[in-house]
Amino acid sequence: GAGVSQSPSNKVTEKGKDVELRCDPISGHTALYWYRQSLGQGLEFLIYFQGNSAPDKSGLPSDRFSAERTGGSVSTLTIQRTQQEDSAVYLCASSSALGPNYGYTFGSGTRLTVV
Amino acid sequence: EDQVTQSPEALRLQEGESSSLNCSYTVSGLRGLFWYRQDPGKGPEFLFTLYSAGEEKEKERLKATLTKKESFLHITAPKPEDSATYLCAGAPFSGGYNKLIFGAGTRLAVHP
Repeated sequence: GAGVSQSPSNKVTEKGKDVELRCDPISGHTALYWYRQSLGQGLEFLIYFQGNSAPDKSGLPSDRFSAERTGGSVSTLTIQRTQQEDSAVYLCASSSALGPNYGYTFGSGTRLTVV
Repeated sequence: EDQVTQSPEALRLQEGESSSLNCSYTVSGLRGLFWYRQDPGKGPEFLFTLYSAGEEKEKERLKATLTKKESFLHITAPKPEDSATYLCAGAPFSGGYNKLIFGAGTRLAVHP
């Protein structure tokens, strides 16, 4: 596609439920990133994929968070047993073969609200 | 601890009134310093990467500069369409370009 696509754009869920957030990166982009943006705070790194492998998952806040990427394309971020502190905008980005120093292309994010 | 701090948090300018946004960083072995623009409800949009002190990059009314401790985003004769949140991010030696440290941003409002 022309850009990074994320779905859903908004998700309201009850505390304790599981949620899945989807990211469809730009075709051919091998690197994929998940960041979290909380109100008034900077973007927080969650995980990075190169192809289907995740060389760095150090930013995942707890074992309730997991992510996978298949076919070197679509990625899913799963949050189990959601808590209110999980409420945030979850942003996905990809970068081209030129390298991430040429900048990420971000999607518009999924706004997650846990009630 | 790696940290990026942006100031001011918010800035209101009149159209044509030039100003600068500040990004202070303490990032070990900085590989690069990034600037992004974010519009409401959208993801950040890449503007610049700076690699070494003294480097400058320009795009339209924006010019980014880098010193050993800070980066500045200069906005010359801004227009209302420049209104957005501007984010600064550092790429540390460990993790590099794949694990950026972001500041909280400066919300810029340009009024006609």
